[in-house]
Amino acid sequence: DTGVSQNPRHKITKRGQNVTFRCDPISEHNRLYWYRQTLGQGPEFLTYFQNEAQLEKSRLLSDRFSAERPKGSFSTLEIQRTEQGDSAMYLCASSLNLDRVDEFLFFGSGTQLSVL
Amino acid sequence: AQSVAQPEDQVNVAEGNPLTVKCTYSVSGNPYLFWYVQYPNRGLQFLLKYITGDNLVKGSYGFEAEFNKSQTSFHLKKPSALVSDSALYFCAVRDIRTYKYIFGTGTRLKVLA
Repeated sequence: DTGVSQNPRHKITKRGQNVTFRCDPISEHNRLYWYRQTLGQGPEFLTYFQNEAQLEKSRLLSDRFSAERPKGSFSTLEIQRTEQGDSAMYLCASSLNLDRVDEFLFFGSGTQLSVL
Repeated sequence: AQSVAQPEDQVNVAEGNPLTVKCTYSVSGNPYLFWYVQYPNRGLQFLLKYITGDNLVKGSYGFEAEFNKSQTSFHLKKPSALVSDSALYFCAVRDIRTYKYIFGTGTRLKVLA
C-alpha cells in the first residue's frame, strides 16, 4: 500500500492518560499535515511540516499537543493528559511540493480517539 | 483570514438528476480551491482543484466545479447523479502564503434511487 498510513486505527484511553499516534506519509512527499475532525464537522487544521520543520501550529492547539517529524519521514502526534474533549478523528495528510501550485493533500484513514 | 462556507448541511437529489453542492470562499489574493469526498469509514479523497485557467474544472468520477470570481463561489456539479455518489463533500481553500488548507463544514449528499 503506497498511501498515507496511520496507526492505530482506534484508540480508547482514560482521561488523563497520554496517547501517541503515528503517520507514515507517501514516501516522496515533503509536506505532512495533521487535522482533527469531529462528527459533523470539517477537518480542523492542527499543524504541518515541510520535511522535518514544523512550519505552523494552530493557535487552537493547547500545549498538551505536540507533533514531531524527526527525519522528515514519519510523524507522531502526542496528546498529554487527555480530556474528553479530545475525542475525535485525527487525520494525517501529505503532499508533494514541486512548485507553488501543483499539489493537493492525500489523506490517511485516520485514528479515532475515544477518551473515557 | 481565509475561509470557506458550505451553506447546505445536506443535499438530496434523485438518481439521474444533475447535482450541485455549493461552496463560497473568502481569501486575500488568488484562491487555490479544492473539493474532497469522504465515504463512510474512509479517508478524504481528492476530487478536483482550481488553481488558475479555465473556470470549469473537471475531476474524478465525472464531477466538475465552476469557479466564479465575482460571486466568490466554487460549486461542485455532476450532470447525472449516481446512488454511489452519496457521501460527505468538503470544499477547501489553501492559504497561498503558508500552504495551510482550510476546510468547510461539509455537505452530505444523498442520491435517492
